[in-house]
Amino acid sequence: DAGITQSPRHKVTETGTPVTLRCHQTENHRYMYWYRQDPGHGLRLIHYSYGVKDTDKGEVSDGYSVSRSKTEDFLLTLESATSSQTSVYFCAISESGGPYGYTFGSGTRLTVV
Amino acid sequence: KNQVEQSPQSLIILEGKNCTLQCNYTVSPFSNLRWYKQDTGRGPVSLTIMTFSENTKSNGRYTATLDADTKQSSLHITASQLSDSASYICVVSSQGGSEKLVFGKGMKLTVNP
Repeated sequence: DAGITQSPRHKVTETGTPVTLRCHQTENHRYMYWYRQDPGHGLRLIHYSYGVKDTDKGEVSDGYSVSRSKTEDFLLTLESATSSQTSVYFCAISESGGPYGYTFGSGTRLTVV
Repeated sequence: KNQVEQSPQSLIILEGKNCTLQCNYTVSPFSNLRWYKQDTGRGPVSLTIMTFSENTKSNGRYTATLDADTKQSSLHITASQLSDSASYICVVSSQGGSEKLVFGKGMKLTVNP
């Protein structure tokens, strides 16, 4: 998707290992979000950021941490991955926090074995 | 509890036929309702966004309706194409910022030749 890149696209990791997913944007948008998508559930918000070094928790934040040291990068870290964190992770960006221009990345498929 | 329910969960239609997807919500207070299309392996892409005062919004062959009184929305697809095969997600935003999004679980549409 134009303006937003997630890396890696796929990752397999072992239980107990740390994992960091990266979201990079070229739109200079203020707001960035991390979601997870699982079968039988709608997208669920993990953490979001409303500016550099300004972050807050979403509805499923346990076991996850985030950092935003630059406008363009929002990192999601699983300190000690568990099998329940096997999921597809999506990053999203928004200029104003409103609905217009709310753009999702292509996702990262994470498998914890 | 804020919820968004979509029906049917899945639908198979023939190319060229029309179809209608339903979304019922209990989110309050209400800010806007969005329909997204998600192709397999990709992130959701916005189709329409409707605020409280809008009851119809079109985007090409996609037409969304909103009845704020009954808290129902529909997405009508006209003259379906094979490329319409995807998941469709209804999302309702509660007033207070985009961190208050409530996602439906999505429905899978398959268009067969």
